[in-house]
Amino acid sequence: AQSVSQHNHHVILSEAASLELGCNYSYGGTVNLFWYVQYPGQHLQLLLKYFSGDPLVKGIKGFEAEFIKSKFSFNLRKPSVQWSDTAEYFCAVNARSQGNLIFGKGTKLSVKP
Amino acid sequence: DAGVIQSPRHEVTEMGQEVTLRCKPISGHNSLFWYRQTMMRGLELLIYFNNNVPIDDSGMPEDRFSAKMPNASFSTLKIQPSEPRDSAVYFCASSRQVANTEAFFGQGTRLTVV
Repeated sequence: AQSVSQHNHHVILSEAASLELGCNYSYGGTVNLFWYVQYPGQHLQLLLKYFSGDPLVKGIKGFEAEFIKSKFSFNLRKPSVQWSDTAEYFCAVNARSQGNLIFGKGTKLSVKP
Repeated sequence: DAGVIQSPRHEVTEMGQEVTLRCKPISGHNSLFWYRQTMMRGLELLIYFNNNVPIDDSGMPEDRFSAKMPNASFSTLKIQPSEPRDSAVYFCASSRQVANTEAFFGQGTRLTVV
């Protein structure tokens, strides 16, 4: 079965700092990869996704992620964070041979104004 | 598109009572997921359905939990009897059952068992 590890539980940054959130998955087969964001008190929303092709994917609000197959990683990046990026970020993996969608435990991002 | 609709948004119940959470997936989606979110355990997949059939319920914590999907537009998650440790936010999500699609989440039901 697949699993997802997110390395950081809580990240605190100042506005304009660069962001990188780690995500590693364990599954030997072909996967789809996702980053979701959950703003305080809200439901999860898709930030970006990787299915195939260019391993560097761009999402909404200036976020991007890079799929490195050899490292089983899908790290999320943003060059310059804003206070409004304060939220919890979840990495997720879907094994194409299966129908489930497994999430990491999430990384809480706090951006100080 | 109304999105995934969950009801109720909030539920407060006493220990021992039966609780039923409801979900209406996006029309045309034929995969449905139930998740539980807590501070301690994060976002856990409880069960998912494809074409109304439960595929994997290994995440259901115990026999007190049951889920049904009688048709393509409705699913329920029932807890009977409820316990304080069931307090959490329960999310329903749906997706198309094709290779490259994402799941869309409902607003969640915040359950408090006192």
